[in-house]
Amino acid sequence: AQSVTQLGSHVSVSEGALVLLRCNYSSSVPPYLFWYVQYPNQGLQLLLKYTSAATLVKGINGFEAEFKKSETSFHLTKPSAHMSDAAEYFCAVSDDTGNQFYFGTGTSLTVIP
Amino acid sequence: NAGVMQNPRHLVRRRGQEARLRCSPMKGHSHVYWYRQLPEEGLKFMVYLQKENIIDESGMPKERFSAEFPKEGPSILRIQQVVRGDSAAYFCASSPRTGANEQFFGPGTRLTVL
Repeated sequence: AQSVTQLGSHVSVSEGALVLLRCNYSSSVPPYLFWYVQYPNQGLQLLLKYTSAATLVKGINGFEAEFKKSETSFHLTKPSAHMSDAAEYFCAVSDDTGNQFYFGTGTSLTVIP
Repeated sequence: NAGVMQNPRHLVRRRGQEARLRCSPMKGHSHVYWYRQLPEEGLKFMVYLQKENIIDESGMPKERFSAEFPKEGPSILRIQQVVRGDSAAYFCASSPRTGANEQFFGPGTRLTVL
């Protein structure tokens, strides 16, 4: 069965500092992994997607994530936080049909000026 | 090119009433997924539909909840006799084909049960 675990429900960083949001997955098949961002009162927007091509995936807004099979991790990073990055971030894995997505509980990112 | 549309964005119901949530997928998409997000939690899969067919409803509560995606018109998530525990954000996503491993999400409907 597929699942994801996001460590840290709340993360605070200073503006300009490194952003690191953690995600570990459990999957019985080679996974497709996703990071989504949710701004207040809005839907989810896809940041990036891992599809078994390059292990380092670049997404929108300067975010990237690295797939590490040995660690079953897919952590999200951004070198320099911006105030506009404050949002809820969700890691997700799809099932082996590619139809059902399993989401983590989310990490709320606060950016301190 | 409009994205996934959901309406209403906010819905208030009293206990025992019915709630109807609508979702129009992106143009060209014939696959629709419904998710529920409870406060402080991630999204939980409810149901996957194609036009006129329910493909996977393993996440749907057994009672009071139903979903449809008719040949014409939006997909409907229906909750009968709502209870306070139904208060949540309900998100719809669409994809162009089965097994696409990509889902585009709507803005959600926030249901409040008084």
